[in-house]
Parts: sequence; C-alpha cells; structure tokens
Amino acid sequence: DVKVTQSSRYLVKRTGEKVFLECVQDMDHENMFWYRQDPGLGLRLIYFSYDVKMKEKGDIPEGYSVSREKKERFSLILESASTNQTSMYLCASSFAGTRTWEQYFGPGTRLTVT
Amino acid sequence: AQSVSQHNHHVILSEAASLELGCNYSYGGTVNLFWYVQYPGQHLQLLLKYFSGDPLVKGIKGFEAEFIKSKFSFNLRKPSVQWSDTAEYFCAVRVAGDDKIIFGKGTRLHILP
Repeated sequence: DVKVTQSSRYLVKRTGEKVFLECVQDMDHENMFWYRQDPGLGLRLIYFSYDVKMKEKGDIPEGYSVSREKKERFSLILESASTNQTSMYLCASSFAGTRTWEQYFGPGTRLTVT
Repeated sequence: AQSVSQHNHHVILSEAASLELGCNYSYGGTVNLFWYVQYPGQHLQLLLKYFSGDPLVKGIKGFEAEFIKSKFSFNLRKPSVQWSDTAEYFCAVRVAGDDKIIFGKGTRLHILP
C-alpha cells in the first residue's frame, strides 16, 4: 500500500512564526504536491516538485516556499505565518509520465495561525 | 487557464434516492477527467477516471460518470445512494501531458438515513 505521511495532523502557530510542514512518501514517486483545502474553494495547488531539488509554482504560491532535498520528502515552508494561511494542507505524490494522474494523498495537516 | 466547475456545493438526499453531481471544465483540447471522494476523517481517494474510449466509466461503490465532450461535462451518477456515501466529492481535470490536476470546489453530499 502506498503511504503518504504528514508530520502533524494538527498544528497551532502564532502570526509571524516560521512553519515547516513535512511530507514523506514510500513509493519512490517522482512527483510530489502541496495543496491547501478550504471550504467552498476545493483544493488549490501551492507548489509541486517533479524531481529532487526541482519545483514549480502552483496556483497560490505567495507566502509559501518548498524544499525537496530527497526524493521521498517534500517540505512546505511558511516563512512568516499569517492568519489567512489557516487551512488544511494536503500533500500528494504520484509517478511521472502517464501515471501522473494517480495521486496518493496524505491525511492532511490542519494548521491554525493565531 | 483551465478551470473546473461543480454546480452544487451542498446536496442532501435520502437513502435510495438517485444522485447526479454536475461537473464542467473549460479546456478545448484533450483532457483526462476524475472524480475524487473524501469520506469524513479519511484521505482523499480516487473514485473513477476517464482517459479515452467508452465515455461511460464505472468506478468503485456503484458510481459512474459520463463524459460528454460537446458539453465539456463529466457528471457523476449513482442510481441509489446509501448513508455511507456521505462525503465530499471533487471533480478534477488534467490536461493531457501535464503533471498537474485541477480540482473543482467540491460538493458536500449528505445522505439522510
């Protein structure tokens, strides 16, 4: 079974703090994705990575950065957390090429910024 | 830019009722289409997919979807829903050759026992 794990299920941070969200997958997938999920807005892509040290901006990259130093690990960084970044964050991974559609999702991290 | 529209944000049905959730996308080229489901407290998971061939695709748990190219639609159907179908459903589209999937805003389905 494919496993995508996220470092925390719930996280509470203060405005201005630097926040790290970690995601690890165990299927040797090339692609990894970070989404945020908000009620009524669905899933919006923040960043994705198609290889180690490679990244591409998604639809809403502002206020976020990412790091992929190892194939299995993809980190989302909030440089200075703000209240409008309170959300559910979902990580996903997939093979590249024709199987890129088969994304496997982690359980999510519910981040609250106060 | 490509987009996906889901017509209903919240649907409430009684058990055994028939279900149809609307989905339209905006892209004139070749697309792959998906429905994902998120049951309460669970991971998002793939319900069904369309790549090519028969426009009527069948997924897990008795769900099916029909791709109508002329209408840019990919509606999800189930003839008789169960209480366990209570979940949030997301339509998604992938432009052929792209690594990204674009998700709709989701439809919350609540089935009354």
